[in-house]
Amino acid sequence: DAGITQSPRYKITETGRQVTLMCHQTWSHSYMFWYRQDLGHGLRLIYYSAAADITDKGEVPDGYVVSRSKTENFPLTLESATRSQTSVYFCASTTSGSEQYFGPGTRLTVT
Amino acid sequence: RKEVEQDPGPFNVPEGATVAFNCTYSNSASQSFFWYRQDCRKEPKLLMSVYSSGNEDGRFTAQLNRASQYISLLIRDSKLSDSATYLCVVNKPSGSARQLTFGSGTQLTVLP
Repeated sequence: DAGITQSPRYKITETGRQVTLMCHQTWSHSYMFWYRQDLGHGLRLIYYSAAADITDKGEVPDGYVVSRSKTENFPLTLESATRSQTSVYFCASTTSGSEQYFGPGTRLTVT
Repeated sequence: RKEVEQDPGPFNVPEGATVAFNCTYSNSASQSFFWYRQDCRKEPKLLMSVYSSGNEDGRFTAQLNRASQYISLLIRDSKLSDSATYLCVVNKPSGSARQLTFGSGTQLTVLP
């Protein structure tokens, strides 16, 4: 039971570079989410998806792009990374219930 | 005002103590309430849902006061393994995207 996985787990990139964080779930959950977690802010929603090919902005979407061509994958792309995007990124999924299941997170550092 | 507010702590308590965390939420239309637990550098995991009548799961008791828009979590007989950050979580009532709003968390350390 693989559940929900994220890759890479750790990433260091330079300002201005494009970077893609991957999220994969094996449960066929309809809903998927991307959060970032920073000290003092808790978890903030970046983007979410209700189904394949349906995505929408969350609280802090600027500088990020998502796609969802398959139910099981929900990649998050930073088009031109900035230092303010240094954070821990969590992917989550859920089905008809409200409990969200989180991946292990990606620690991203932008230098 | 934040949508979900928690006392950040830290709470440092001895083993065996009883500790209570509080949380307030701003949207009176919210219908679903949860406590999540997050260990250091790990992902959040559901601890328990919070029901209107209050609910208990072993040493953990959660209560909801809709009139005051207030949620609480009580931990009895604290264990070292209870050390973690506890996140108060409330659903966003608009739309059907199963969105949740997370508090910033309350840090608990149980001391031997």
